[in-house]
Amino acid sequence: QVQLVESGGGLVKPGGSLRLSCAASGFTLSDYYMSWIRQAPGRGLEWISYISTSGSTIYYADSVKGRFTISRDNARNSLYLQLNSLTAEDTAVYFCARPLYYGGDMYFDYWGQGTLVTVSS
Amino acid sequence: SYVLTQPPSVSVAPGKTARITCGGNTIGIKSVHWYQQKPGQAPVVVVYDDSDRPSGIPERFSGSNSGNTATLTISRVEAGDEADYYCQVWDSSSDHPVFGGGSKLTVL
Repeated sequence: QVQLVESGGGLVKPGGSLRLSCAASGFTLSDYYMSWIRQAPGRGLEWISYISTSGSTIYYADSVKGRFTISRDNARNSLYLQLNSLTAEDTAVYFCARPLYYGGDMYFDYWGQGTLVTVSS
Repeated sequence: SYVLTQPPSVSVAPGKTARITCGGNTIGIKSVHWYQQKPGQAPVVVVYDDSDRPSGIPERFSGSNSGNTATLTISRVEAGDEADYYCQVWDSSSDHPVFGGGSKLTVL
């Protein structure tokens, strides 16, 4: 069965950095785009980034562009998100999600349980 | 960027029908996807491509989309349907997905 397991969250000071990981199993990672989506406490879902199967195509939400970097290692069945220059507004649960992407449409058929990032001094 | 508008809350009595709307400019020409999220859990897709259901999702969940409004309909609502519901589309102008703000379904 498909499983996505995030790790790497925690408490970090403003201006700090963190690297999130997502371990994928139950499917061939190299066949799928992958994405990160976050949810601030008590708030809605916010898509933040996706990466194509080979990593050649990457998109970011404006709110994280220039600060976050998505990457993948298909051989290790892993997805990553490097978070830099963090602010309190980045405090959220970060979900790894598998999108189905076809002909200019995308939706998310599998999600991890999320990892909490708290930015506070 | 494309904006999706959902009512913050919807209330319904058990056994009745709940309708959760998702408004967007000519959303009828887009494919709309709906997610259910229960407290402390990850979202789960309940309807994709306007009206298709993934395996395991009850037939009580259905979707429609026309004009400027998409609707998730939950028939014969049960207490276990109480959750937040999010609509989502693909924004072709910016090549990324967009979520609505979410609607909290309360079962009275």
